[in-house]
Amino acid sequence: DGGITQSPKYLFRKEGQNVTLSCEQNLNHDAMYWYRQDPGQGLRLIYYSQIVNDFQKGDIAEGYSVSREKKESFPLTVTSAQKNPTAFYLCASSSTYGGQPQHFGDGTRLSIL
Amino acid sequence: QQQVKQSPQSLIVQKGGISIINCAYENTAFDYFPWYQQFPGKGPALLIAIRPDVSEKKEGRFTISFNKSAKQFSLHIMDSQPGDSATYFCAAGSSGTYKYIFGTGTRLKVLA
Repeated sequence: DGGITQSPKYLFRKEGQNVTLSCEQNLNHDAMYWYRQDPGQGLRLIYYSQIVNDFQKGDIAEGYSVSREKKESFPLTVTSAQKNPTAFYLCASSSTYGGQPQHFGDGTRLSIL
Repeated sequence: QQQVKQSPQSLIVQKGGISIINCAYENTAFDYFPWYQQFPGKGPALLIAIRPDVSEKKEGRFTISFNKSAKQFSLHIMDSQPGDSATYFCAAGSSGTYKYIFGTGTRLKVLA
């Protein structure tokens, strides 16, 4: 079955630590996205990538970094510069050029120790 | 200009009733309006979407109504079922871009 796999499901970060969230897709989609979801708020775009080796900042990119070395993979690093990282992080993909996210993973919940 | 306002925040409907969720946007450049369904602990799933050249789109029990002049669009869930209990998000964006603005979500509970 095609889909998006996010890991881990739960992640804890210590102060000053960088953590990396994994996102893998086997849908052969070109576009991939990272969103942050906070309680009572809509999804907010962190980064997106249209093709391999290319990515663009979304609305809340500060304190985050990404890479896109393979079509299937789009990992997100939450750096120590992100002062409020506690949230539910969602990875998504799209097959359409310039389109809305079509498929989402089941998310990673990040908390601060 | 980038906001999408969604209401109500929560909704309780009896089984078999109609659930109605409303969204309003400000940016007239938006030309694609998807709706997503999210169950607890899961990622959202694309449910249905509409372009402003049509006033209504129906897929099964789900219907989107679109009012371009009022810059509003709504999701109607006919014959609501307990399995429809989830959080629903509207979104708006422009074709050819990857930046979609999401509403704040509506938590729907359908009573058996």
